[in-house]
Amino acid sequence: KNEVEQSPQNLTAQEGEFITINCSYSVGISALHWLQQHPGGGIVSLFMLSSGKKKHGRLIATINIQEKHSSLHITASHPRDSAVYICAVRNTETSGSRLTFGEGTQLTVNP
Amino acid sequence: KAGVTQTPRYLIKTRGQQVTLSCSPISGHRSVSWYQQTPGQGLQFLFEYFSETQRNKGNFPGRFSGRQFSNSRSEMNVSTLELGDSALYLCASSWTSDYYEQYFGPGTRLTVT
Repeated sequence: KNEVEQSPQNLTAQEGEFITINCSYSVGISALHWLQQHPGGGIVSLFMLSSGKKKHGRLIATINIQEKHSSLHITASHPRDSAVYICAVRNTETSGSRLTFGEGTQLTVNP
Repeated sequence: KAGVTQTPRYLIKTRGQQVTLSCSPISGHRSVSWYQQTPGQGLQFLFEYFSETQRNKGNFPGRFSGRQFSNSRSEMNVSTLELGDSALYLCASSWTSDYYEQYFGPGTRLTVT
């Protein structure tokens, strides 16, 4: 079993829909990252969180440490949100910036 | 402030050759991490350098090595290339080694033929 599991693997939505991507992990963590990767490879860090909730524009990330679960929400989705969204965790048992990644969720938003 | 830069962006090599990839972190950042991304294995951690010292190493063979210079720029080297080394190699920099957001470079796409 992977240390980090994401669901769903693929998600297709209509413009304007509310989207949720889930991430579950099985190890103790010091931080969880949500990343966005567009075709061509570039990765953008969306959020880094260790507790609670963060919001940036139409994006909201939450984390429940007790349940070892995080969600990424996109409100009023837009075709430009189409990308791969990746959850990554920093394991408390390893030092430094080492991240362990989920397999990613391919999101397609149709106009 | 300039972002993380990686050179070259694309590279084609032949099996058995070696390759060196370069990463320049954001000014002031002292930690550089390297990751490999393949369709089959996804994103995997290669190693991390902080203040010219390797702090962490992932589960990759000894053919993969790296170093960091005093200006925080980092290089990774892959010797005796195999077809399976074809991948997108990403580096990320952060202020220090712990609890800071990582900023990713655009990646180097390596194709081994």
